[in-house]
Amino acid sequence: DAGVTQSPTHLIKTRGQQVTLRCSPKSGHDTVSWYQQALGQGPQFIFQYYEEEERQRGNFPDRFSGHQFPNYSSELNVNALLLGDSALYLCASSLDRGNTEAFFGQGTRLTVV
Amino acid sequence: QQQVKQSPQSLIVQKGGISIINCAYENTAFDYFPWYQQFPGKGPALLIAIRPDVSEKKEGRFTISFNKSAKQFSLHIMDSQPGDSATYFCAASGGSSNTGKLIFGQGTTLQVKP
Repeated sequence: DAGVTQSPTHLIKTRGQQVTLRCSPKSGHDTVSWYQQALGQGPQFIFQYYEEEERQRGNFPDRFSGHQFPNYSSELNVNALLLGDSALYLCASSLDRGNTEAFFGQGTRLTVV
Repeated sequence: QQQVKQSPQSLIVQKGGISIINCAYENTAFDYFPWYQQFPGKGPALLIAIRPDVSEKKEGRFTISFNKSAKQFSLHIMDSQPGDSATYFCAASGGSSNTGKLIFGQGTTLQVKP
């Protein structure tokens, strides 16, 4: 049973560019949440997708957007990249939106130069 | 009220000792409290979780103690091993505005000396 998979694992982008990160949830899971983890910090919630809609959103600007596909996989898009967007981006999958076990992928390390 | 405060920031324990990490929260609507272990360059891995209807949960060498009245919970790692050296995060979720949204503590870096 494959766990949560994310791609790519590493990415270098220039300030002002746009980036798309991808996530496939654990088999049987229907909810995908995205987190940003700055170096030395705990993960910060960006947003959650369930039934192809954004259900919850953290304190992140509109430059951060997402999408969920019918097969439950998800994308995170960040526009107009800033140096401060450099971080580990984590995808977590769970079942039914609820407060249940959430499993994380290995993350995508984004570096903005 | 949305914060989860974690301490200590770092911890050094001898092999075979007990590692204890503490977390405190304010939002009484929280009803799910997981602990995650993270190795460098990896995503967080779920270790153990508890809900407020029990005061303690044990899985192998890992135990969560939960004090609802004090709004505190802690992770105890018994017989700590060098392989346990990692960063540990507590988290909380629950309530209508936080359903499925994990709020993490700042993390504790644990070093277990051989």
